[in-house]
Amino acid sequence: EADIYQTPRYLVIGTGKKITLECSQTMGHDKMYWYQQDPGMELHLIHYSYGVNSTEKGDLSSESTVSRIRTEHFPLTLESARPSHTSQYLCASSERGQETQYFGPGTRLLVL
Amino acid sequence: QKEVEQNSGPLSVPEGAIASLNCTYSDRGSQSFFWYRQYSGKSPELIMSIYSNGDKEDGRFTAQLNKASQYVSLLIRDSQPSDSATYLCAVNWGGYNKLIFGAGTRLAVHP
Repeated sequence: EADIYQTPRYLVIGTGKKITLECSQTMGHDKMYWYQQDPGMELHLIHYSYGVNSTEKGDLSSESTVSRIRTEHFPLTLESARPSHTSQYLCASSERGQETQYFGPGTRLLVL
Repeated sequence: QKEVEQNSGPLSVPEGAIASLNCTYSDRGSQSFFWYRQYSGKSPELIMSIYSNGDKEDGRFTAQLNKASQYVSLLIRDSQPSDSATYLCAVNWGGYNKLIFGAGTRLAVHP
């Protein structure tokens, strides 16, 4: 089981602010993912990375950006938050050669 | 047609009964299948993975896979109120290192 951490767990912020959601894992997993999930709805992949300096956009278009400078760290940034960004953001990771994904606890974002 | 389909429920079963959760998928090339459990307000946690046709058992949980019918199911024996959660089916997509998740089936186990 992966140790994967997300901060902050909850964030309430005003429109137009820049925010960064942090995700870190200590298992040395090569692959990391960001999902967006609205209450009672399915998970949507918004970004993924197969390793350092590798990032790809997911299936759901998102105004957020990500970076992968270190294996263990995969932060997500919103340059200008809007109420439509209100959601839960879940980070996951998996080992090279494996498809099982392990999730962090999530960040609940509320943009006023 | 959605890539991974699940009945949204709620599926209501009495304590001690068998809960049967179903999932169909559209990509014939999918080779890996996963069941996750998600409690309200929490993140998904892995229950089981299955890769070959047939049954795979782990404690009270049994996953069943039929690739010809593009169907995967999860049986929960001796259901407990603590099993009440949303169960997500996930399928690897087209050989890519991505999982596609269904919308989930909400299970309610009543005493």
